[in-house]
Amino acid sequence: EAGVTQFPSHSVIEKGQTVTLRCDPISGHDNLYWYRRVMGKEIKFLLHFVKESKQDESGMPNNRFLAERTGGTYSTLKVQPAELEDSGVYFCASSQDVGRGYTFGSGTRLTVV
Amino acid sequence: DQQVKQNSPSLSVQEGRISILNCDYTNSMFDYFLWYKKYPAEGPTFLISISSIKDKNEDGRFTVFLNKSAKHLSLHIVPSQPGDSAVYFCAASARGSNYQLIWGAGTKLIIKP
Repeated sequence: EAGVTQFPSHSVIEKGQTVTLRCDPISGHDNLYWYRRVMGKEIKFLLHFVKESKQDESGMPNNRFLAERTGGTYSTLKVQPAELEDSGVYFCASSQDVGRGYTFGSGTRLTVV
Repeated sequence: DQQVKQNSPSLSVQEGRISILNCDYTNSMFDYFLWYKKYPAEGPTFLISISSIKDKNEDGRFTVFLNKSAKHLSLHIVPSQPGDSAVYFCAASARGSNYQLIWGAGTKLIIKP
């Protein structure tokens, strides 16, 4: 079974630009999560989709971040405009059931300069 | 306010010996705890978990101990192997929080030959 795929693996953009991160979950997984790790600190929850619906977006830092999951398949996370503090590694994870352990992608390392 | 704390940023252990990774939490509503392992440029990989109704869970070389009164859990790896060198994250979730994971900052484990 293919794992969770994230694209791109790395992105370097200038402050003020827009970046879109993509996540392809494991096929059949209704639950999709976005997490972020900033500067070697703890990994923090951003949001949770169940199919195409946002179940919980309490971790989204501000309205510069927009997540979508069209058709309940892949998801995108857009940052517009990007700020320096948005730099970090963005992880996507998916699970078949809402629960305790899920499968993570390799992450997208975003650097805003 | 960090609800899950891993106070040791790194730990060095001789191959063959026991590795003990520690994690403390503050939220008494947490009812499920997980350990993830992360290699560089990869996403976190689920390792082992424990429910709050238990105080020990064992899986091969890995054992997690939970001390609810002290709000403390630990991961024991016996015997430690070179492939165990990675960053280990402790995470917790609470029923009713939509199983959102709250993470520690991670401990880098280095196994010396």
